Amino acid sequence: DQQVKQNSPSLSVQEGRISILNCDYTNSMFDYFLWYKKYPAEGPTFLISISSIKDKNEDGRFTVFLNKSAKHLSLHIVPSQPGDSAVYFCAASARNTNAGKSTFGDGTTLTVKP
Amino acid sequence: DVKVTQSSRYLVKRTGEKVFLECVQDMDHENMFWYRQDPGLGLRLIYFSYDVKMKEKGDIPEGYSVSREKKERFSLILESASTNQTSMYLCASSPGQNYGYTFGSGTRLTVV
Repeated sequence: DQQVKQNSPSLSVQEGRISILNCDYTNSMFDYFLWYKKYPAEGPTFLISISSIKDKNEDGRFTVFLNKSAKHLSLHIVPSQPGDSAVYFCAASARNTNAGKSTFGDGTTLTVKP
Repeated sequence: DVKVTQSSRYLVKRTGEKVFLECVQDMDHENMFWYRQDPGLGLRLIYFSYDVKMKEKGDIPEGYSVSREKKERFSLILESASTNQTSMYLCASSPGQNYGYTFGSGTRLTVV
């Protein structure tokens, strides 16, 4: 049973437009959510996170929205830039786990066209 | 600049060999993790450790073991390598709950 799902394997947007990446989860114990970006031949890099007590968190061009009732979160990138082209992973962790271990989705490959 | 260093970027091993993947972090983090990344399967947790000599199984521990004798070092051991363990292996660390991970660059392991 996959507890974190990213249903879109890929997304293509034009430079300057908004990129919206989506993520759904099934485990109601998850209370902390994260997004990572991964370039080829590199490890993932932490991007932004949100606690379940919030519904929005913003950091520059990146905003994460959390809808707890729908068990859905999304990452908005505005404006999108060619350097944002990467694989984006959604991850979630639960407070009752040792080390705050995270469960990851399969990833969405974002391509931003100049 | 904080770092997680994985000892090898690429490894080729033979079926049945015992394989050691080493990971070192310089951030004094409590928690360390081993994931593997496979196409279409995302990142799957193999093992993790929340203190020296403390370890816990992740979602896919079969065929693997780990060692954490010192806080900064977390080793992944493939007891008898098999072709289905060909994968990208990623080590990560974090200072505690509700923190993002810092990942290493990964080790691409091929078992032939």
